[in-house]
Amino acid sequence: DAKTTQPNSMESNEEEPVHLPCNHSTISGTDYIHWYRQLPSQGPEYVIHGLTSNVNNRMASLAIAEDRKSSTLILHRATLRDAAVYYCILRDVRGSTLGRLYFGRGTQLTVWP
Amino acid sequence: EAQVTQNPRYLITVTGKKLTVTCSQNMNHEYMSWYRQDPGLGLRQIYYSMNVEVTDKGDVPEGYKVSRKEKRNFPLILESPSPNQTSLYFCASSLLVSNTGELFFGEGSRLTVL
Repeated sequence: DAKTTQPNSMESNEEEPVHLPCNHSTISGTDYIHWYRQLPSQGPEYVIHGLTSNVNNRMASLAIAEDRKSSTLILHRATLRDAAVYYCILRDVRGSTLGRLYFGRGTQLTVWP
Repeated sequence: EAQVTQNPRYLITVTGKKLTVTCSQNMNHEYMSWYRQDPGLGLRQIYYSMNVEVTDKGDVPEGYKVSRKEKRNFPLILESPSPNQTSLYFCASSLLVSNTGELFFGEGSRLTVL
């Protein structure tokens, strides 16, 4: 199974940038890197995904290492509403990680006012 | 509105009393999956389905059954619940014919087995 490794927890101050790392050394060439976040008392929600190039959307940016063995989710200005558990997963819609997905424990982000 | 709906949201039951947690999606997604979430253990996959009549085990399938008779529904069945199945359960769905595979999650079902 393609798995990822994330720090258990990270902290940030409000309005500062946050860089959430993820290691995925066993990534295959067709694995997409997905990030989800889970706010308190809610189901996980999609944040962003990428394959090789860095990606930006209204929620965050995704920076992918050149060898694709790691990636970083970037929240440019953390707000109190960004406090959540962030999950990094791999998904290949054409391959072995299509159905069997590994979320793990994710990274608990605490944002201080 | 595109959504994944789980029922019940909260349930307290007793050991051995069969129960079903329903999951329904209105997005015509081929893929559906069940997860349980326990403190300190994160999200663990129970079962998944790639399409109607196609199901497979995830990481923690023991004590659970699923069925996929219709594309929109993917019920989770606990034939004889035990206290170690007390947990928060999430259903998710996604398209398969897509190069993104974005997952959509339900709001969760909190189950307590006494």
